[in-house]
Amino acid sequence: AQSVSQHNHHVILSEAASLELGCNYSYGGTVNLFWYVQYPGQHLQLLLKYFSGDPLVKGIKGFEAEFIKSKFSFNLRKPSVQWSDTAEYFCAVRTSGTYKYIFGTGTRLKVLA
Amino acid sequence: DTGVSQDPRHKITKRGQNVTFRCDPISEHNRLYWYRQTLGQGPEFLTYFQNEAQLEKSRLLSDRFSAERPKGSFSTLEIQRTEQGDSAMYLCASSLVAGEVAFFGQGTRLTVV
Repeated sequence: AQSVSQHNHHVILSEAASLELGCNYSYGGTVNLFWYVQYPGQHLQLLLKYFSGDPLVKGIKGFEAEFIKSKFSFNLRKPSVQWSDTAEYFCAVRTSGTYKYIFGTGTRLKVLA
Repeated sequence: DTGVSQDPRHKITKRGQNVTFRCDPISEHNRLYWYRQTLGQGPEFLTYFQNEAQLEKSRLLSDRFSAERPKGSFSTLEIQRTEQGDSAMYLCASSLVAGEVAFFGQGTRLTVV
C-alpha cells in the first residue's frame, strides 16, 4: 500500500535558521505531491504542490520543495525561518488510479524568537 | 468566507449515540473528501465524492459510518453507535478537479465520552 513518511516529528529552530523537512513516499508510478501547513488553531492550507515539470517548486512564504524521483522524496526547505512559521507541516501524495490524498504523520516546527 | 464550511465545530456525545456532521464545500467544487485526524497523526482518508457519486471509500470506514452527498453540493457524515475510538477531528475538503489542490475546512472535533 502507498505510504508517506515524515521522519522529523518535532523540529525546534531559532529564527533565521535554515529548514529542511523530509518526506518520502512509497509508490513507483505517477504522483502528485503536496505540502500543507496547519498554523495553530487554523485549517490545513496548501504551501506548494508538484504535478510535473521543474522538480524544484516554489510555494508561498518563501518555501520551496524538491522532487527527487530516484529517491521517492519531496523535501521541504526554507533558507531562513521566522517565528510565524511555527506550525505543523504535512506532506501528502496522490497516486495515479486513486482519488485520495495520503498524508504523512506531520512535523511540528517550533521557531524560537 | 467562501471556504469549506463544517458544522458543528465541536461535538461531545455519549458512547452509543449517533452523530451527523455537515460539510459545505467551495461552491464550484464538485469533488468532496472526508478525512479523519487523530492526535499525532496526519489526516486519514475516509471517502470521496464526485458530484453525488461516492467513488472511493476507505476500509477504515466501518459499517457504522455512512456519508452522503445527495444533490452534489453539501455532504453529511453519520456515525452510528459511536465508540470512544471514534473521537477525532473529522475534516472535509473539496477540489475543482480530481487530484488537484484540496481545500480543507476547519473540521469537526468529536469527543465520545
